[in-house]
Amino acid sequence: NAGVTQTPKFQVLKTGQSMTLQCAQDMNHNSMYWYRQDPGMGLRLIYYSASEGTTDKGEVPNGYNVSRLNKREFSLRLESAAPSQTSVYFCASSEQGGNYGYTFGSGTRLTVV
Amino acid sequence: RKEVEQDPGPFNVPEGATVAFNCTYSNSASQSFFWYRQDCRKEPKLLMSVYSSGNEDGRFTAQLNRASQYISLLIRDSKLSDSATYLCVVKEVTGGGNKLTFGTGTQLKVEL
Repeated sequence: NAGVTQTPKFQVLKTGQSMTLQCAQDMNHNSMYWYRQDPGMGLRLIYYSASEGTTDKGEVPNGYNVSRLNKREFSLRLESAAPSQTSVYFCASSEQGGNYGYTFGSGTRLTVV
Repeated sequence: RKEVEQDPGPFNVPEGATVAFNCTYSNSASQSFFWYRQDCRKEPKLLMSVYSSGNEDGRFTAQLNRASQYISLLIRDSKLSDSATYLCVVKEVTGGGNKLTFGTGTQLKVEL
């Protein structure tokens, strides 16, 4: 009964380093999402994948890339981390229509120094 | 204007009190509405969907007014465990699929 699993839970990067945040869901959902959450800003959509094989930009895609590896997995990559990317990152998934809301992973707390 | 607006609070209420949160949204084409709960340093979790006719789940009642583009959440008989941030969420259907827009949340603190 894992739901949405994110790794790692915490990460500290130096400016310019790269890393990939992993996300996997076991609910057979078609759609997956990456959000970032910053104080006073709410959750902002970075990228999403409506179904396997498709990805689209969200509200704040700059500095990020994504891969929908298969139906279960959706990864987020920071190619050259910047201090402005310090944030909490949440992965989420939903059935195609999203009529029952999204299920979120427990988040990755990323600090870029 | 923000797409989804909420009073950030905090709302400090005594245990047993009734508290109401409000939310307004800007896109009249929005199709579905939700309230999420987020505990400190945790992920958001779905609290309840909001239906046009209004709906209730135990101590929680949600209302939607499409004409005014307004959503509310009422919590009766507040418990200490209700302390959290409550996020108003609006779903739109776009060319690229569904899109959820989150409010910044209203913080509730229930005190003894």
